[in-house]
Amino acid sequence: AQKVTQAQTEISVVEKEDVTLDCVYETRDTTYYLFWYKQPPSGELVFLIRRNSFDEQNEISGRYSWNFQKSTSSFNFTITASQVVDSAVYFCALTPYSGGGADGLTFGKGTHLIIQP
Amino acid sequence: DGGITQSPKYLFRKEGQNVTLSCEQNLNHDAMYWYRQDPGQGLRLIYYSQIVNDFQKGDIAEGYSVSREKKESFPLTVTSAQKNPTAFYLCASSKGVNLAGELFFGEGSRLTVL
Repeated sequence: AQKVTQAQTEISVVEKEDVTLDCVYETRDTTYYLFWYKQPPSGELVFLIRRNSFDEQNEISGRYSWNFQKSTSSFNFTITASQVVDSAVYFCALTPYSGGGADGLTFGKGTHLIIQP
Repeated sequence: DGGITQSPKYLFRKEGQNVTLSCEQNLNHDAMYWYRQDPGQGLRLIYYSQIVNDFQKGDIAEGYSVSREKKESFPLTVTSAQKNPTAFYLCASSKGVNLAGELFFGEGSRLTVL
């Protein structure tokens, strides 16, 4: 069985600080996909990134960056120079590569990020 | 704009009543899904559909039913058999079953049983 752990239930920082959200996963599959989703107060989840297990390159998109380390089974998400609009619940998720439909998608419990002005 | 529309946004139900949550998408996506979210919990899959007139149970299908008569629509019925129905329900879609494509979500329906 696969598992995704987001140990940080809630994080509160002051605007402009950098913040890292941790994600640790467990899977027996050798190939898999990892995801991050953002859930703002409006409720809908918004896709942020998909990473397959073949590619351990870190990725940067504006103020967002992701650090994938297969050796530690982690896929951490860093927001640089945080803004109030970044306040949301962030979910990490995992699915097997083969037959990896949403029926195989496992979500972590989420990290509630609060950015104070 | 393309997207997923869920209604109603808030719903109150008395115990013993069935309720139906609507989910409509105009993204021309083949696959649609229903998730349940409880406070401090991740999302759990209730049902999913890969194609019209076909659907599969997810991890927590007991007490729920769905239909997929049209590509655009995937309504969820919460039946009186669902023992703890108070939750936030999210509908999603994807271009195909293969999750190499991302999920698109609606804004959710919050169901409260009185």
